[in-house]
Amino acid sequence: DGGITQSPKYLFRKEGQNVTLSCEQNLNHDAMYWYRQDPGQGLRLIYYSQIVNDFQKGDIAEGYSVSREKKESFPLTVTSAQKNPTAFYLCASRPPGAGGLNTEAFFGQGTRLTVV
Amino acid sequence: AQKITQTQPGMFVQEKEAVTLDCTYDTSDPSYGLFWYKQPSSGEMIFLIYQGSYDQQNATEGRYSLNFQKARKSANLVISASQLGDSAMYFCAMREGIPGNQFYFGTGTSLTVIP
Repeated sequence: DGGITQSPKYLFRKEGQNVTLSCEQNLNHDAMYWYRQDPGQGLRLIYYSQIVNDFQKGDIAEGYSVSREKKESFPLTVTSAQKNPTAFYLCASRPPGAGGLNTEAFFGQGTRLTVV
Repeated sequence: AQKITQTQPGMFVQEKEAVTLDCTYDTSDPSYGLFWYKQPSSGEMIFLIYQGSYDQQNATEGRYSLNFQKARKSANLVISASQLGDSAMYFCAMREGIPGNQFYFGTGTSLTVIP
């Protein structure tokens, strides 16, 4: 079955440590996204990538880093510079839309990160 | 300014009744797409319905319909014949034509269906 896999589902991190969240897709999608979700704030864009080896900052990129070495993979690293990293993180991908805007984003199951 | 505004943090509806979830958007681009997603307590985001800015008719998908009022910049989701499984968070989102790369999400509405 095609889809987006995020791992792990739950992640605990000590303050001051970097941690990497995995996102893999086998949908052959070019565009991939990372969102952060906090209660009452909806989804906020961290980074997105349109093609391999290229990515752009979203609205809240500070304290995060990404790479896009393969089309299938878009890992997110939460660095120690992120002041409040406890949140629910969602990865998404989008198929090419042949010029239209009607292609929805497909989401993974999410990773809940807790800093202890 | 917020691209997407959802003003109802929480809503309640009786089972089998219809409910409307509000969404207003802000864009100066004539070309845009509007999306609604459902997020159950498990966390995954489920795509429900899409409306394009040039679509002449309101979108419908089963029990979901979109009340699209372009002049008012609103794209309200209507759920008919509510079921207990409809209890979830609902998010409105938008993609603009230029550059069309990002999805902008609202803060969501928590819907509870009462038996």
